[in-house]
Amino acid sequence: GESVGLHLPTLSVQEGDNSIINCAYSNSASDYFIWYKQESGKGPQFIIDIRSNMDKRQGQRVTVLLNKTVKHLSLQIAATQPGDSAVYFCAEGWKGNDKIIFGKGTRLHILP
Amino acid sequence: DSGVTQTPKHLITATGQRVTLRCSPRSGDLSVYWYQQSLDQGLQFLIQYYNGEERAKGNILERFSAQQFPDLHSELNLSSLELGDSALYFCASSVTGWTTRGTDTQYFGPGTRLTVL
Repeated sequence: GESVGLHLPTLSVQEGDNSIINCAYSNSASDYFIWYKQESGKGPQFIIDIRSNMDKRQGQRVTVLLNKTVKHLSLQIAATQPGDSAVYFCAEGWKGNDKIIFGKGTRLHILP
Repeated sequence: DSGVTQTPKHLITATGQRVTLRCSPRSGDLSVYWYQQSLDQGLQFLIQYYNGEERAKGNILERFSAQQFPDLHSELNLSSLELGDSALYFCASSVTGWTTRGTDTQYFGPGTRLTVL
C-alpha cells in the first residue's frame, strides 16, 4: 500500500497495551474535534468526535479527551491490536468556518 | 468500505498535462470535498461542493478546478501539471456539508494516486 507521511512522529506500543496519541490544536475558537485513522493504502476513516462542551467522550475501545485550557486533544486506544496500526489525524472545526482543518498525523506502530 | 468511490486508482502523466479525477459520493450525501495529501503533509483541503454549488474553498491552485454534477458526482480537474502536484487526492462526502458543526461526518474515498513525471 501507499506510505503516508514518511516523516511523521511515530508512537510504538506493545500489543495489548493502551495507546495515547496527542494533538495540539491551533485555534481557540475551535468547537468541534474529530479523530481519523488512515491505514496504508486507504482513505481516512472517522473514529470519534467531540464537541467543545464536553471534555471526554468514549467509543468502542477509544476515548477522546479534550483540554480547552491548553488546546490539547488526545485519543486513547485500549488494548491496542495489530489492526490499530495506522496514521492517526486530529482535525478541528468551528462555527462560521466551513473547513475542517487536519493536523499532521501520528503513526502508531504496534510491537508484537 | 465508506461508500465513496474514486476513479482512477492510479494515474501517471507528464508535466504540462491535464487530468480529471472522478468521485461518486455515498448514496444520499449532497456534499463533496476534495483534499490533497502529499508525503510529509497532512490532508490539505481544496474545495467543497454542496448540491452542485461551491460552498467552501481552501488552498486550491488556480490551475485546479472542480465541479459537482446534477447526479452529485464530482470531478477535480488538474491542468498544467507540475512535479509538485504528485500526491494522493481524496474525495469525501457528507450529508449536509456542515461538518464543522458536529452534526455531520465526512466519509472518505480510497483516493487517487497521481504521479507527474
